[in-house]
Amino acid sequence: QKEVEQNSGPLSVPEGAIASLNCTYSDRGSQSFFWYRQYSGKSPELIMFIYSNGDKEDGRFTAQLNKASQYVSLLIRDSQPSDSATYLCAVGVNNNDMRFGAGTRLTVKP
Amino acid sequence: DTEVTQTPKHLVMGMTNKKSLKCEQHMGHRAMYWYKQKAKKPPELMFVYSYEKLSINESVPSRFSPECPNSSLLNLHLHALQPEDSALYLCASSPRTWGEKLFFGSGTQLSVL
Repeated sequence: QKEVEQNSGPLSVPEGAIASLNCTYSDRGSQSFFWYRQYSGKSPELIMFIYSNGDKEDGRFTAQLNKASQYVSLLIRDSQPSDSATYLCAVGVNNNDMRFGAGTRLTVKP
Repeated sequence: DTEVTQTPKHLVMGMTNKKSLKCEQHMGHRAMYWYKQKAKKPPELMFVYSYEKLSINESVPSRFSPECPNSSLLNLHLHALQPEDSALYLCASSPRTWGEKLFFGSGTQLSVL
């Protein structure tokens, strides 16, 4: 069983819509949760992190964490074509492990 | 300075060559990492250095040899690589330990002929 699961996509949304990216994890010892954006041929870039249950907002991005359901999501409001990228969910466990999901490819169509 | 700098950006090498990848950060981070990433796959951990000591080696073949000369520098020495080693090699750092937010360098795109 995969430890961090994401829908591989591609997820396609029209410009201006809300893109919703989901991630589930299996280890209940997971303590830190990250979303990285990766453009084709580039390195991952940290865009959001969340440690506590609830929502965390930063500009057009909102990260949501539900530890009881072992679920973390990323919402991108007012999606732009420049948001088209692969989004990697990563989960930190016990401050000595980090596990990546396979990534979700997002396409925002003008 | 919030950057992790990697050189070179591109590298082509033959299977008999010896080359090195270099990584530098000046954020005072005490954990540094090498990841390997194939196209359309997530980053795959190779090595973790914590406080300049190798703490994790994910069963990487000996043709990859990491080195951490000081707290700001990380090298990856390459020797006798195989074509299947062609990938994007990413250096990353984090403030103290693995499991914290990672700051990635721009990567070295390696092609082994």
